[in-house]
Amino acid sequence: QKEVEQDPGPLSVPEGAIVSLNCTYSNSAFQYFMWYRQYSRKGPELLMYTYSSGNKEDGRFTAQVDKSSKYISLFIRDSQPSDSATYLCAMTQGGGTSYGKLTFGQGTILTVHP
Amino acid sequence: DAGVTQSPTHLIKTRGQQVTLRCSPKSGHDTVSWYQQALGQGPQFIFQYYEEEERQRGNFPDRFSGHQFPNYSSELNVNALLLGDSALYLCASSYLGTWTFGSGTRLTVV
Repeated sequence: QKEVEQDPGPLSVPEGAIVSLNCTYSNSAFQYFMWYRQYSRKGPELLMYTYSSGNKEDGRFTAQVDKSSKYISLFIRDSQPSDSATYLCAMTQGGGTSYGKLTFGQGTILTVHP
Repeated sequence: DAGVTQSPTHLIKTRGQQVTLRCSPKSGHDTVSWYQQALGQGPQFIFQYYEEEERQRGNFPDRFSGHQFPNYSSELNVNALLLGDSALYLCASSYLGTWTFGSGTRLTVV
């Protein structure tokens, strides 16, 4: 069993839709949670970073962490065609995000069509 | 401010050959990690360098080795290439904060 599970999709939605992306994890030592966006032929780009359980909002993006259920989510409101990309969840153990390895999910391919 | 720079962008190697990939971290960043991303998969951690020492290592064979130089730049070396080594190799750098990734080197082993 993988430490981080993420539905690879693909997910196709119309412009303006609310998108929900999810990951589950099995390692309770994970303390820091991130969402990255990866466009084709590019490296991952950090979207959201959270530590505690609860919600964190940044513009159209909301990250949600439920440590008791070992479940994290990313919501995208008013989705745009430019949001079409692969979304990767990532997590790491204690020591801050500068230290230790990031463990990634498989990535979810999202397409937002006009 | 330049981000993380990786070279080359693409390369093709033959099975059994050796390859060296290079990474220049973002200005001010002193820690470098390398990841392997197979097609359709998330990145897998290879190892991390800090102060020219390997600080952590993922589940990769000894054919994968690295180095960090005094200017914090880094190299990833892979010996005795296998077809299964074909992937996007990502370098990420950090300084007491979040990780910044380069665009990667796409390695094809034939």
